[in-house]
Amino acid sequence: DADVTQTPRNRITKTGKRIMLECSQTKGHDRMYWYRQDPGLGLRLIYYSFDVKDINKGEISDGYSVSRQAQAKFSLSLESAIPNQTALYFCATSDLRGDIFSYNEQFFGPGTRLTVL
Amino acid sequence: SQQGEEDPQALSIQEGENATMNCSYKTSINNLQWYRQNSGRGLVHLILIRSNEREKHSGRLRVTLDTSKKSSSLLITASRAADTASYFCATDPYNTDKLIFGTGTRLQVFP
Repeated sequence: DADVTQTPRNRITKTGKRIMLECSQTKGHDRMYWYRQDPGLGLRLIYYSFDVKDINKGEISDGYSVSRQAQAKFSLSLESAIPNQTALYFCATSDLRGDIFSYNEQFFGPGTRLTVL
Repeated sequence: SQQGEEDPQALSIQEGENATMNCSYKTSINNLQWYRQNSGRGLVHLILIRSNEREKHSGRLRVTLDTSKKSSSLLITASRAADTASYFCATDPYNTDKLIFGTGTRLQVFP
């Protein structure tokens, strides 16, 4: 979805390096998410943010940190990358508005393929 | 893990056949959603069914929800080669504000 962009799309790095993955959105959504996808494990939530001042840990936050620089920008950092962080990373957004049953439909970016050697 | 379970893990069919995927989950939910992922791409929302609904249609898609059994199914009718993708269910549990994704079903549709 062109409304949610991720940079870089591919990255190869070495163990111990600091890496930042960036996500930008033009959908005007309040909520943003970072997920990790590994083969056979589906998507797992790393961090999520409901507004600029609200950051929450997800299921697998160890080894990661995030920054919500603005409503439209949410960055994920790996302070010291390790090989088992090799994965496909997705950013997603959702709209806080809407009725209680439908507000959490999520819109995904194209993903960043990260390889840690 | 709080993830939902999907079955089958993989499904291969011929064009024109129907494809059925099932999803089971563990907690009470506001809604259940199905997403599609083409290889290596981002997920795309397909359909959402609310907890007070039992069946929903969208084009060739039919979703059912049985909250008593905590299960859902996605039926794709008259499948096409372009339907080849992975399909994920995602539950929106009460009071969590997060989606819980299943492990996905890989669908291969042969021409």
